[in-house]
Amino acid sequence: GENVEQHPSTLSVQEGDSAVIKCTYSDSASNYFPWYKQELGKRPQLIIDIRSNVGEKKDQRIAVTLNKTAKHFSLHITETQPEDSAVYFCGLAAGNKLTFGGGTRVLVKP
Amino acid sequence: NAGVTQTPKFRVLKTGQSMTLLCAQDMNHEYMYWYRQDPGMGLRLIHYSVGEGTTAKGEVPDGYNVSRLKKQNFLLGLESAAPSQTSVYFCASSYVRGQGTMNTEAFFGQGTRLTVV
Repeated sequence: GENVEQHPSTLSVQEGDSAVIKCTYSDSASNYFPWYKQELGKRPQLIIDIRSNVGEKKDQRIAVTLNKTAKHFSLHITETQPEDSAVYFCGLAAGNKLTFGGGTRVLVKP
Repeated sequence: NAGVTQTPKFRVLKTGQSMTLLCAQDMNHEYMYWYRQDPGMGLRLIHYSVGEGTTAKGEVPDGYNVSRLKKQNFLLGLESAAPSQTSVYFCASSYVRGQGTMNTEAFFGQGTRLTVV
C-alpha cells in the first residue's frame, strides 16, 4: 500500500524457529494496526491487531509490537509450525481507510 | 450467518466489456471496502464506503466505480474492462466502535477471480 512498507517479502524459517515481519508507515494519524494471514487460495483472516494506545499484544505464539515514535510495528511468530506457512499482511487504518503492506510469504521448513 | 459473500466467484471478460461485482454482508457493518490482489502483490484499496450512500476513492480507483445504495451491499463496476484489471478482487466489511474511525476487524469475502482477455 501507499502508506505502509512491509519487509521482508519472503521469509524461510526452520520449524521451531521464530519469524519476524516488520512494517513501517508515515502517517502519524494511524491508529489501528491489524495483521492478516492468507493461506493459498483463501481469503485473508485476522490473526492479531493492536491499537495506538498499546505497545505490545500477545496471543499464544503470536505477538505484535508497536513503536509509534519510530512509526513501525512488527509481527513475531515463535515456535513456528508448518501450518504457519502462508502470506502475512500488515494493515494500517488512518481515519476510515484500511490499507495493507505488500505481504510476506512465510515458508516453514519441517 | 453467511458473513461476506461475493458474486460471482469467477468471470472471464473480453476487453471493453462491462460488469458489476456484488458484495453482500449480513453483519450490519457500516464500513465496506473493495481491494484487488495481483500475483506477488499485496491488497490494494480500490474504493471504500463508510455508510449507505457514501463512497470514497482508495489507492487505485481509476477504471472502477462503486455504489452503496443499501447498507448491506457494495457494488464494484468496471465500465470498460482492460487486461490490466485481471486480478483477484476482495470485498471486506467492518463495524464501527467508538469515534467512528476504522478500528475493528475487517471480514473478507471469498474473492472474485476476474480475467480480462
